[in-house]
Amino acid sequence: GAGVSQSPSNKVTEKGKDVELRCDPISGHTALYWYRQSLGQGLEFLIYFQGNSAPDKSGLPSDRFSAERTGGSVSTLTIQRTQQEDSAVYLCASSPQGAGGGYTFGSGTRLTVV
Amino acid sequence: AQRVTQPEKLLSVFKGAPVELKCNYSYSGSPELFWYVQYSRQRLQLLLRHISRESIKGFTADLNKGETSFHLKKPFAQEEDSAMYYCALRDQAGTALIFGKGTTLSVSS
Repeated sequence: GAGVSQSPSNKVTEKGKDVELRCDPISGHTALYWYRQSLGQGLEFLIYFQGNSAPDKSGLPSDRFSAERTGGSVSTLTIQRTQQEDSAVYLCASSPQGAGGGYTFGSGTRLTVV
Repeated sequence: AQRVTQPEKLLSVFKGAPVELKCNYSYSGSPELFWYVQYSRQRLQLLLRHISRESIKGFTADLNKGETSFHLKKPFAQEEDSAMYYCALRDQAGTALIFGKGTTLSVSS
């Protein structure tokens, strides 16, 4: 695609429910990243995928968070048993291998847990 | 520890005034630093990276290893520069970027 696509753009869910957020990176980009953007907290790194290598999950805040990337393309971030503190904008970015940090970001999914 | 610090949450200037958005980092070795910008209702996008030594939209940033800083500067601010600016550092593993908390720049006439 022309850019990084994320869906849904907005999600309101009840506390305790599970949610899935989707990211469709730019075709051919081998690296894919998930970040969380909260007011006053900036961008918090969550997880990184590079090609077929094992993902770097070091930023996931708890075991309620998980992500997968199928076929080296589309990625899904899953949050189980959502809590109010999970409310944030979840951003996905992709880059070609060796891009020197030039990420292309999606427009994000705004998650609200009520 | 690797860290990026942007000490100002908000910077307000008048049109035509000089702008300096501060960024300090903590890193062992040679850092790779970037500035990203997010305009209202738009996606976060790369503004510039230190290895390119480029000037984008009149903005420049110089890496100062002695002061561990990478401040973003523009001699004459314009209203369309109003946005959120993030400084970022590539982590030691060379994978993800570590972002600061961001500075909102507000330029008024």
